[in-house]
Amino acid sequence: GENVEQHPSTLSVQEGDSAVIKCTYSDSASNYFPWYKQELGKRPQLIIDIRSNVGEKKDQRIAVTLNKTAKHFSLHITETQPEDSAVYFCAALLSGGSYIPTFGRGTSLIVHP
Amino acid sequence: GAGVSQSPSNKVTEKGKDVELRCDPISGHTALYWYRQSLGQGLEFLIYFQGNSAPDKSGLPSDRFSAERTGGSVSTLTIQRTQQEDSAVYLCASSLAQGAGDTQYFGPGTRLTVL
Repeated sequence: GENVEQHPSTLSVQEGDSAVIKCTYSDSASNYFPWYKQELGKRPQLIIDIRSNVGEKKDQRIAVTLNKTAKHFSLHITETQPEDSAVYFCAALLSGGSYIPTFGRGTSLIVHP
Repeated sequence: GAGVSQSPSNKVTEKGKDVELRCDPISGHTALYWYRQSLGQGLEFLIYFQGNSAPDKSGLPSDRFSAERTGGSVSTLTIQRTQQEDSAVYLCASSLAQGAGDTQYFGPGTRLTVL
């Protein structure tokens, strides 16, 4: 089955700095990679996703890159703000397959004002 | 439209009691998932429904856990003879699961505390 590793487990940055969270996956057949943000006490919410037919996707201050050959994908947050503080989860799944995503263990991002 | 809803939001029970957790997915979503999230931990997959059938029950931690889904909509997760280690937030999610729309939408969760 799929295995997703996520690093780092915690990340502390100053407001305005960039933050990068990396995930690796094991199943080369996986073709859909969502990222979820979970604020304290709240539900996970999708913030960005990427499919295997593209290498990069941007949405304002966040971007995701995918390297299919190396089987890793990363979340990039630029100009971080205190409200970006949350736990971020990556996931991988085979769209059209079992529809069951495999999640990373999460990264706790802390943005200091 | 309405998102995924779960009830109750909080449940405190005594060890050994049975509990039933409910999930109302987004209308039209054929796939429904149950996850468990312990304090400060990631998302532990429990079970997945496609329509009313559960093709994957591999995540259920023991035979005390069961789930059903009726009418392709509401799902209930039942935990029998609860143990203290069952204490966690139980999250439900739904998706279209039609190949192009794999986004999972999560409910607010049920926080279960077993005393």
